[in-house]
Amino acid sequence: AQTVTQSQPEMSVQEAETVTLSCTYDTSESDYYLFWYKQPPSRQMILVIRQEAYKQQNATENRFSVNFQKAAKSFSLKISDSQLGDAAMYFCAYRINSGGGADGLTFGKGTHLIIQP
Amino acid sequence: EAGVAQSPRYKIIEKRQSVAFWCNPISGHATLYWYQQILGQGPKLLIQFQNNGVVDDSQLPKDRFSAERLKGVDSTLKIQPAKLEDSAVYLCASSFRTVNSPLHFGNGTRLTVT
Repeated sequence: AQTVTQSQPEMSVQEAETVTLSCTYDTSESDYYLFWYKQPPSRQMILVIRQEAYKQQNATENRFSVNFQKAAKSFSLKISDSQLGDAAMYFCAYRINSGGGADGLTFGKGTHLIIQP
Repeated sequence: EAGVAQSPRYKIIEKRQSVAFWCNPISGHATLYWYQQILGQGPKLLIQFQNNGVVDDSQLPKDRFSAERLKGVDSTLKIQPAKLEDSAVYLCASSFRTVNSPLHFGNGTRLTVT
């Protein structure tokens, strides 16, 4: 079974600074996707960034970027120029490419990100 | 486009009572997922539908939980009878197709069992 581990229950960063959230995962599959989701108090899960395992290039989305180390099974999220609106729970998630079969996301326990003004 | 709709937003019941949650996915999305998110944890997949067929229900406690997706559109998740440990947020998500399509989540239903 696949597992996702987030070792930082809570992180705090000053506004405008950079923060990195850690994630490791365990799988025997070779074709999969990795995600970072943001969950504000509204409870809706919002996709932040996605990485295909077959791509060596790290994904970036504006202020958000990842460091994907496939051999180490590590997938960290870097948030640059942190803004107050970035405050939320952040979840790392794994999804197998099952070719149309079972492919539900497996989530970590989350990291609570606090932005200090 | 309209997002994934869920109702109710909140529900409080006593243990041993029954409860049902409703989800309306984004139009055209063939795949629908129900997740359970216990406080302080990440969401856990309960069941995945492809159209009106079940693809994965390996983590659904079938002695008390049931779900259906009639006509391959709306879905309901039922708990009967509820236990204290069922207190959680129940999230519904949908995707256009399973391969390489992102999941879109609803706002969830917060269930409190007393």
